[in-house]
Amino acid sequence: AQKVTQAQTEISVVEKEDVTLDCVYETRDTTYYLFWYKQPPSGELVFLIRRNSFDEQNEISGRYSWNFQKSTSSFNFTITASQVVDSAVYFCALSGGTGGFKTIFGAGTRLFVKA
Amino acid sequence: DVKVTQSSRYLVKRTGEKVFLECVQDMDHENMFWYRQDPGLGLRLIYFSYDVKMKEKGDIPEGYSVSREKKERFSLILESASTNQTSMYLCASQDLHKNIQYFGAGTRLSVL
Repeated sequence: AQKVTQAQTEISVVEKEDVTLDCVYETRDTTYYLFWYKQPPSGELVFLIRRNSFDEQNEISGRYSWNFQKSTSSFNFTITASQVVDSAVYFCALSGGTGGFKTIFGAGTRLFVKA
Repeated sequence: DVKVTQSSRYLVKRTGEKVFLECVQDMDHENMFWYRQDPGLGLRLIYFSYDVKMKEKGDIPEGYSVSREKKERFSLILESASTNQTSMYLCASQDLHKNIQYFGAGTRLSVL
């Protein structure tokens, strides 16, 4: 069965600190997709990134970066120089393989960025 | 941009009422989903639909039903609302080519 674990329930940082959100996944499939979504206080989940299982290149987008390591089944998300607007709940998710188009979400990590 | 619209942001209903949650997407996606979100549990799949009039149970379908009469609209129905159905409900539609789900703003339902 597929599973996504986000061990950090809540993280609190001060503005301009760097913060890493951890994500560990379980799957027996060789082909799958990993995602990160952001849920700000408004409630709508916003898609941030998708990686497929064959692409282990790290990705950087502005202050956001993602580290995908198949050897440790991890897909961690780092925010550099955090800002108050980064305060949200962040979900890691997994789909594909035997799960088909269904997506399995982690429990989420709530990030507080204080001014 | 993909737009997924949920008809209500907040709803308050009484135990035993029949409740309809509506969701409309504008991207001609085949797949649509209903989740509920509860603290510490993440998103749990209630039902999904992969075509008009086609539906499949998710992980927690008990107490819910769905309807998909048109491709753009996917409705979640609580036949007889109960207090344990108080939750945030999220609708999503899926781009099959990219395997990405796009979400509505959510409906926060309180059953009293």
